[in-house]
Amino acid sequence: AAGVIQSPRHLIKEKRETATLKCYPIPRHDTVYWYQQGPGQDPQFLISFYEKMQSDKGSIPDRFSAQQFSDYHSELNMSSLELGDSALYFCASSRRTGTYEQYFGPGTRLTVT
Amino acid sequence: SQELEQSPQSLIVQEGKNLTINCTSSKTLYGLYWYKQKYGEGLIFLMMLQKGGEEKSHEKITAKLDEKKQQSSLHITASQPSHAGIYLCGAGRAALTGTASKLTFGTGTRLQVTL
Repeated sequence: AAGVIQSPRHLIKEKRETATLKCYPIPRHDTVYWYQQGPGQDPQFLISFYEKMQSDKGSIPDRFSAQQFSDYHSELNMSSLELGDSALYFCASSRRTGTYEQYFGPGTRLTVT
Repeated sequence: SQELEQSPQSLIVQEGKNLTINCTSSKTLYGLYWYKQKYGEGLIFLMMLQKGGEEKSHEKITAKLDEKKQQSSLHITASQPSHAGIYLCGAGRAALTGTASKLTFGTGTRLQVTL
């Protein structure tokens, strides 16, 4: 079965640089979520989208922005990167109604040096 | 404060033994998810429970939801090395809102299975 696809899997950036993470949800899933997981921590919700509209917002820094496109894929844009942004970034997808099961992608490991 | 607390924080069991992981919420549960994570990898969906008293099983893993106690338990029967990893419970609000929602995760339980 198709899973959530994230790219790139690994990314190394320097401080103050920008990064773009991409997420391709499971086919027929209309809702996308972004989570950040720091070392030894549980995943923290950043932001979610349904039908290209922001549906919920968590602890996402103002330096970050995200959007969902007409094909339901989503991109997380991160600017003015800081050392503390180094983390695993997960995308998850679900259907807005129905089973509510939420599936996670393999993650993008971002390292800021 | 943490909304979801898991116990134990870590667990070492011998292969073949049974084990239980608990997830307790400080708030009413409207959807409880269980995931397994290998270090540095993605979260693998195990099960989702919505109704009080609901119980689901997948292979040797069974999860139950006690709505009154605001608690869920994950039970693994005859553990195997492949069960090793970090187990995370997550709370959503789907049963309340009727739509999928963000998840808030517990503190995680690290499971090691020895031979």
